[in-house]
Amino acid sequence: AQKVTQAQTEISVVEKEDVTLDCVYETRDTTYYLFWYKQPPSGELVFLIRRNSFDEQNEISGRYSWNFQKSTSSFNFTITASQVVDSAVYFCALSEARTGYSSASKIIFGSGTRLSIRP
Amino acid sequence: DSGVTQTPKHLITATGQRVTLRCSPRSGDLSVYWYQQSLDQGLQFLIQYYNGEERAKGNILERFSAQQFPDLHSELNLSSLELGDSALYFCASSVGPGLAGEETQYFGPGTRLLVL
Repeated sequence: AQKVTQAQTEISVVEKEDVTLDCVYETRDTTYYLFWYKQPPSGELVFLIRRNSFDEQNEISGRYSWNFQKSTSSFNFTITASQVVDSAVYFCALSEARTGYSSASKIIFGSGTRLSIRP
Repeated sequence: DSGVTQTPKHLITATGQRVTLRCSPRSGDLSVYWYQQSLDQGLQFLIQYYNGEERAKGNILERFSAQQFPDLHSELNLSSLELGDSALYFCASSVGPGLAGEETQYFGPGTRLLVL
C-alpha cells in the first residue's frame, strides 16, 4: 500500500534560516512519482515539483532544492535563506505508476508540514 | 493563477441538502480531478474525468457524484450532506489522461463547503 509520512507537523524558523521539510514514502512499485505542493494561507494548492522514481538527481530551483534518496525512501525539500512569503503548508505526495483503470492518476498526500517564517 | 476556476468560493448549507460544485479546467486541458481536504482526512483524491469519461475513482462516497460536460467543465454533486462533509473541495486539471502521475495537475482555488 502507498503511504506518505511527513513527520514534522509544524516548523517555525527565523527569516533567512535554511529549513528542510522531510518526506518519507512507502510503495511496492518500482515506478512511481513524487510531488511537492505548497498551500499558502490563501488556500490554493501550488505545484512545486514532480520527480519520477528513476531520476535520483537532486534538483535545485532558486532557493528551493529537493533531495531524493530511494535507499531511504525519502524526498526531502530544503528552502535556503527562507523568506516570510515561504510561510505555508507543504504537502509531499506519491503517485504509483500502475496500469489499468482504477489506479490511474491517484495521488496520495502526506498530512502536510506547516512552515512559519518569522521576520 | 493556475487557470483553473471553481465556483462558488464559499457555500453554506444544512444537513440533508444537496449542492453542486463547478470547475472549469485550464484551456486545453482534458482531465479534471476532484479532491477533498478536511481536517480529519487531510487531502484525498475523489475522482477523475478525462474528455467526458470517468477515468479513475478514489475515496468518493456513494452520496457524491461527478460528471464532465462536452465543454470540459465538471460538476461535483454532493447529496444528503452530513456535518462531516464540511471541507475544502479542490478541482485540478491536466492536459491528458494523467496516467501514472506523468502529468502535472494544476489546482483551482477550491470551494469551501460548510454544512450546518
